[in-house]
Amino acid sequence: AQSVTQLGSHVSVSEGALVLLRCNYSSSVPPYLFWYVQYPNQGLQLLLKYTSAATLVKGINGFEAEFKKSETSFHLTKPSAHMSDAAEYFCAVRDPQTGANNLFFGTGTRLTVIP
Amino acid sequence: NAGVTQTPKFQVLKTGQSMTLQCAQDMNHEYMSWYRQDPGMGLRLIHYSVGAGITDQGEVPNGYNVSRSTTEDFPLRLLSAAPSQTSVYFCASTRDPAGGYTFGSGTRLTVV
Repeated sequence: AQSVTQLGSHVSVSEGALVLLRCNYSSSVPPYLFWYVQYPNQGLQLLLKYTSAATLVKGINGFEAEFKKSETSFHLTKPSAHMSDAAEYFCAVRDPQTGANNLFFGTGTRLTVIP
Repeated sequence: NAGVTQTPKFQVLKTGQSMTLQCAQDMNHEYMSWYRQDPGMGLRLIHYSVGAGITDQGEVPNGYNVSRSTTEDFPLRLLSAAPSQTSVYFCASTRDPAGGYTFGSGTRLTVV
């Protein structure tokens, strides 16, 4: 069974500081992994995805994530936080061997950026 | 290019009423899904479709029906609304599930 755990429902960083949002997955096979961002009163927007190519994935807005099979992790990072990064971030996993729409989301991490 | 369009944006229903949440996409995507988002629970899959005429249940399908008569439209029906269905509903579509989904802006539903 697929599942995703996001450690920390709220994360606060100062503007210009490193952003680190944690995601651990549970999967019996190498999964597809995604990070989505949700700004207030909006839908989700795809930040980046891992689909078994390079383990370091670069996304939009300066974010990147590294797939670590040994740690079953897919943490999201950004070297320098900007005020516009304040949003809720969701990690999601899909087992490529099961149905096309079995996409499981974590419970989300709300990022606050302090000026 | 409008992407995924959901209507209405807000709705208040009384317990027992029925309604349909509309979802339309203009990207010719075969795969479409409905999710509900509740505080502290992330997004949970209600129903999905892999093409016109083909639908299946997701994680939380009870109380909801769907149909897919065209590639563009994927409406979600609440037959008899209950307060437990108070939530934000998102429709999403994709050409390739490995590539990630495009989400609509959501429908905020309150059942009183």
